Amino acid sequence: EIVMTQSPATLSVSPGERATLSCRASQSVSSNLAWYQQKPGQAPRLLIYGASTRATGIPARFSGSGSATEFTLTISSLQSEDFAVYYCQQCDNWPYTFGQGTKLEIK
Amino acid sequence: QVQLVESGGGLVKPGGSLRLSCAASGFTFSDYYMSWIRQTPGKGLEWVSYISSINSYTYYSDSVKGRFTISRDNARNSLYLQINSLRAEDTAVYYCARLAAVGPLSDYWGQGTLVTVSS
Repeated sequence: EIVMTQSPATLSVSPGERATLSCRASQSVSSNLAWYQQKPGQAPRLLIYGASTRATGIPARFSGSGSATEFTLTISSLQSEDFAVYYCQQCDNWPYTFGQGTKLEIK
Repeated sequence: QVQLVESGGGLVKPGGSLRLSCAASGFTFSDYYMSWIRQTPGKGLEWVSYISSINSYTYYSDSVKGRFTISRDNARNSLYLQINSLRAEDTAVYYCARLAAVGPLSDYWGQGTLVTVSS
């Protein structure tokens, strides 16, 4: 099973600033990596797939990069609605596994 | 618009059974693979099972293999998860999710149904 490790566990950023979240895979997953956003009481929402492709309706301030074992989700100019928990998921090998999440909180 | 509505969760004793259902609408259900993903505060998100669109090929995580059975009824636009021999560690919110056309990732999720296993 591929283990996904996200860092940091919690990230405190001020509105309007840039946030950079990391995700590491225990073995290469090529570009088969997705990012999700989850707000309290809601289901996760797909943000990014294929490591860097934004899902339908996702604002351009969200961008993904990376390949193999190292991936980054960047949110430029944070808006109030962006404070949430973010998860990465590898889509390369069954079982498809998630990271433990990064909580993005207001500084 | 795409809607996925789960039902069937509840409180069950260890060793008991439940059948979760997911009613899908707003898309051609038979065109898509479907999945069940669960979430707990301790273990986070875990992809439990998924099923192919037409031939109903099924896949299970090791933690549920032999105890959980995923199925679908394309005529009723419905997805199911039969969960048997429940354990305390199966306590979770269970989400029904559609697999995206681009690959094994979930582009739409239901609101989730809570399964609590406790004596």
